Amino acid sequence: NAGVTQTPKFQVLKTGQSMTLQCAQDMNHNSMYWYRQDPGMGLRLIYYSASEGTTDKGEVPNGYNVSRLNKREFSLRLESAAPSQTSVYFCASSNRVGEGEAFFGQGTRLTVV
Amino acid sequence: QKEVEQNSGPLSVPEGAIASLNCTYSDRVSQSFFWYRQYSGKSPELIMSIYSNGDKEDGRFTAQLNKASQYVSLLIRDSQPSDSATYLCAVVTSGTYKYIFGTGTRLKVLA
Repeated sequence: NAGVTQTPKFQVLKTGQSMTLQCAQDMNHNSMYWYRQDPGMGLRLIYYSASEGTTDKGEVPNGYNVSRLNKREFSLRLESAAPSQTSVYFCASSNRVGEGEAFFGQGTRLTVV
Repeated sequence: QKEVEQNSGPLSVPEGAIASLNCTYSDRVSQSFFWYRQYSGKSPELIMSIYSNGDKEDGRFTAQLNKASQYVSLLIRDSQPSDSATYLCAVVTSGTYKYIFGTGTRLKVLA
């Protein structure tokens, strides 16, 4: 049972390049989330999907897009990467909408140069 | 104003003491409250969840919730050096189902 799997684990991008971070969960969870974590800033919610077929903006959505491909997969896309998007990105999922433990992936360390 | 506020610390306590971590939130209709622990370079992991006013105990950990004051706390009894980590408070808002985290409090337990 892998839980929440994120790919890649590390990535270096040049300013202006695009990329997609992949996230998949095998726990049949309804809700999925993307966060970024910067030093001293805690976890900031980028986008979330409360249930399959829905996506909503979080606290810091600018510069990102998401796709809830199916119940298992939730991807995060950077269309034109900027140095300000250098961060550690975490994907998470939870079973019950609005409650329940969030399970996290191992994180993606992204550097934009 | 951030929706979930925590003192960033570091909070230093001697081994065996009680560590008290605090969190306030702004959305009065928040429905679910969580404490996560995060070791450096690792992913957050759940310690406690609490949904109703009062205290909830689990081993050395006690979560306290006061919805009227919009305040949630975590007490760690008999603190151990292995408890040294960043503790993140999380709140789920009713209706929107946003899972919002605070900035975290760094705890250092001194041996």
